[in-house]
Amino acid sequence: DIQMTQSPFSLSASVGDRVTITCRASQSINRYLHWYQQKPGKAPELLIYAASSLESGVPSRFSGSGSGTDFTLTINSLQPEDFATYYCQHSYSTPPTFGQGTKVEIK
Amino acid sequence: EVHLVDSGGGLVKPGGSLRLSCAASGFTFSNYRMNWVRQAPGKGLEWVSSTSTSGDYTYYVDSVKGRFTISRDNAKNSLYLQMNSLRAEDTAVYYCARESTNYYPHFDSWGQGTLVTVSS
Repeated sequence: DIQMTQSPFSLSASVGDRVTITCRASQSINRYLHWYQQKPGKAPELLIYAASSLESGVPSRFSGSGSGTDFTLTINSLQPEDFATYYCQHSYSTPPTFGQGTKVEIK
Repeated sequence: EVHLVDSGGGLVKPGGSLRLSCAASGFTFSNYRMNWVRQAPGKGLEWVSSTSTSGDYTYYVDSVKGRFTISRDNAKNSLYLQMNSLRAEDTAVYYCARESTNYYPHFDSWGQGTLVTVSS
């Protein structure tokens, strides 16, 4: 199975900050990498698919980059509603696996 | 609008069984692969199972193989997960998730989740 490792595990940031979360795959996954946001008690929601494609309806302050084994999710100008946990996930092979999550908290 | 509604969770004793359901609406259900993803309390997301559009092909995470069975009824726009021989470690919120038809498949819509608690 392909292992997905996110960093950091958690971070504290202020409204307006730029936040970067990284995700590393244990082997090359091309661009089969997706990002989700999850708020407490809610289902995950898709933010970014295929490493850098913004899901319809997702604010443009979210962006993704990377290919192969190293990927990044960037949130420009963090907003109050962005405080949540973020997960990366690969779909290169079965089983698809998720990173352990990055919790973005208010500083 | 795509809508997925999960149901069927509850409290069950170790070794017991439970059947989860996911009712789909707002899209042509038979055109999409469907999945179950779970989340143990306070933990991350874990893919559990998927089914092809026809239901002919099914896949499972190793930890549930031989115990869980995914199925679908395209006439009823419904997805199911039959869970047998349940263990404490199966305790989680279970989400059904639609898989996109994109070249890079991803989970583009999720149900609200249903909680399964395995405890004596």
